[in-house]
Amino acid sequence: DIVMTQSPLSLSVTPGQAASISCKSSQSLLHRDVRTYLYWYLQKPGQSPQLLIYEVSNRFSGVPERFSGSGSGTDFTLKISRVEADDVGVYYCMQSMQYPPTFGQGTRVDIK
Amino acid sequence: EVQLMESGGGLAQPGGSVRLSCVASGFTFDKYAINWVRLAPGKGLEWVAGISASGGSTYFADSVKGRFSISRDNANNTASLQIFNLRDEDTAIYYCAKGVRAFWGPQDYWGQGALVSVSS
Repeated sequence: DIVMTQSPLSLSVTPGQAASISCKSSQSLLHRDVRTYLYWYLQKPGQSPQLLIYEVSNRFSGVPERFSGSGSGTDFTLKISRVEADDVGVYYCMQSMQYPPTFGQGTRVDIK
Repeated sequence: EVQLMESGGGLAQPGGSVRLSCVASGFTFDKYAINWVRLAPGKGLEWVAGISASGGSTYFADSVKGRFSISRDNANNTASLQIFNLRDEDTAIYYCAKGVRAFWGPQDYWGQGALVSVSS
């Protein structure tokens, strides 16, 4: 199975400041179809997970522009340009390049 | 609006079984896979099972293979996950999630979750 490793595991951010989460995969997530199957999810407190970013850098419907994804191969990053109070929760990266789909351990983000 | 709603679960004994159901609306149900992902206490998200759009293919994580069963009824926009021979480590919130394509893969919309608590 592909192992997804996130860092840091927790992050405390001042509102208005930027935040960055790293996700590394044990194998390249570039598929032979030339797409890279890396996703980012956010689970806010008391809620179900929601899709933020698909295929590395595409924001899902309704996701604010302050969220952006980047990376390639085995190294990926989620950036929040200006953190808001509503952004607290646990962020997960997930790969679906290879069966079975696997998640990172999660990064807990809170507000200072 | 895409909606998925789980039901079932609750308190169950080790060695017992439980059936979770998922009712979906707001999308063409028979064109997308359905996945089940769980969140155990103090742990992260774990994909456990999936079923293709037609229902002809099923997928399971190695950790649950042989004890979990998945099915769907495209006529009624429902999917089910049955867990047999329950273990303590099956205690978790189970989420039903719509796939982004017809076969296994990532999820875009999630239900609110159903809690399964295994305890004697």
